[in-house]
Amino acid sequence: DTEVTQTPKHLVMGMTNKKSLKCEQHMGHRAMYWYKQKAKKPPELMFVYSYEKLSINESVPSRFSPECPNSSLLNLHLHALQPEDSALYLCASSQEERIYNEQFFGPGTRLTVL
Amino acid sequence: DAKTTQPTSMDCAEGRAANLPCNHSTISGNEYVYWYRQIHSQGPQYIIHGLKNNETNEMASLIITEDRKSSTLILPHATLRDTAVYYCIVRVARGINTGKLIFGQGTTLQVKP
Repeated sequence: DTEVTQTPKHLVMGMTNKKSLKCEQHMGHRAMYWYKQKAKKPPELMFVYSYEKLSINESVPSRFSPECPNSSLLNLHLHALQPEDSALYLCASSQEERIYNEQFFGPGTRLTVL
Repeated sequence: DAKTTQPTSMDCAEGRAANLPCNHSTISGNEYVYWYRQIHSQGPQYIIHGLKNNETNEMASLIITEDRKSSTLILPHATLRDTAVYYCIVRVARGINTGKLIFGQGTTLQVKP
């Protein structure tokens, strides 16, 4: 099973809402990633978790709060977002946080902030 | 990580080889060349990577010039399902943050019947 699943597929939220994105993998991978992709732009790294600990935060605003409750699950908690945060949010995982390890991506959650 | 330059778009006839170039003239000795692609409405997918030797797998071949300043991804028999954005990424092999993937603008490959 080389699948990374993400839920929900689509999410519409208001600027005062709190919502969460979920990512799951059962490949035994110990590194998990969040990327943000605006329309017609390349993905941009947001966070990296390695062995359930935050390894990289690419200066992401605090209205995005990642969480890695166990080695299979990665959440992204959203609060007080802005319309410019509307984007495709991609989750990925790899064996470990190393260059040699291929990253497997999920299909993404398309987020619209009204 | 070294910057990469790719053409914005390319066309290829179905069944023919697709050759996608990438310039990485500032690459250093400990940096690998990686290729990913992103089919519309899907997450990126790993294709292949290499350091200095040419590489081949079931999806593609990667040709890296001797001076390592450029490379070419070859899809030997392109199909309509290969229509996607192809990203060439240079990644440092050692040190911190080797897990980071920094995507450039990529090449949109359109395979035509």
